[in-house]
Amino acid sequence: EPEVTQTPSHQVTQMGQEVILRCVPISNHLYFYWYRQILGQKVEFLVSFYNNEISEKSEIFDDQFSVERPDGSNFTLKIRSTKLEDSAMYFCASGGGVNSGNTIYFGEGSWLTVV
Amino acid sequence: GQSLEQPSEVTAVEGAIVQINCTYQTSGFYGLSWYQQHDGGAPTFLSYNALDGLEETGRFSSFLSRSDSYGYLLLQELQMKDSASYFCAVSRMDSSYKLIFGSGTRLLVRP
Repeated sequence: EPEVTQTPSHQVTQMGQEVILRCVPISNHLYFYWYRQILGQKVEFLVSFYNNEISEKSEIFDDQFSVERPDGSNFTLKIRSTKLEDSAMYFCASGGGVNSGNTIYFGEGSWLTVV
Repeated sequence: GQSLEQPSEVTAVEGAIVQINCTYQTSGFYGLSWYQQHDGGAPTFLSYNALDGLEETGRFSSFLSRSDSYGYLLLQELQMKDSASYFCAVSRMDSSYKLIFGSGTRLLVRP
């Protein structure tokens, strides 16, 4: 069964450093997403991406965040200058495929620790 | 804006049936989804309702009443492995089908 894959599974970075989280969405899906989950809290929407551009973003997704789809398969989230409060699990998700209806499928997540 | 309410914790015994309720407030409601998340894991899709009524998938069923802005997830024949957090999430017509999640219900299944 197709799945969303994410790398790295865990990254530790120093405050102020840039981080890139990578995702390979399910191949025939049209919508791509990044979500964040701070430990013990709910899953929060960051950004959605459709037709090679951002279609929607939340208040959390400020100027330090950016997303790219550099080729036909990868979807990346960049955090330019990490802060302690960016420590969280970051989930990539995709949906809107021919047979997926409105179901959104999540990757296993990238756990980011900022020290 | 949007808001979702669901109980923070539910406890049940193995083999029992448990219902997790979710009430929501949102404009342009499109559908209600349910996800399961084990500690440290990814949200896993369980069920989706766009129309009123019951959707059944094995031991799990989900119900939606659009007029009441209410839904529930029903878990039957509970197993220990069902201990996890369960999130309801709404999607809206005017967005990129993104999901807005509730705060989650932590289900503890006891022997």
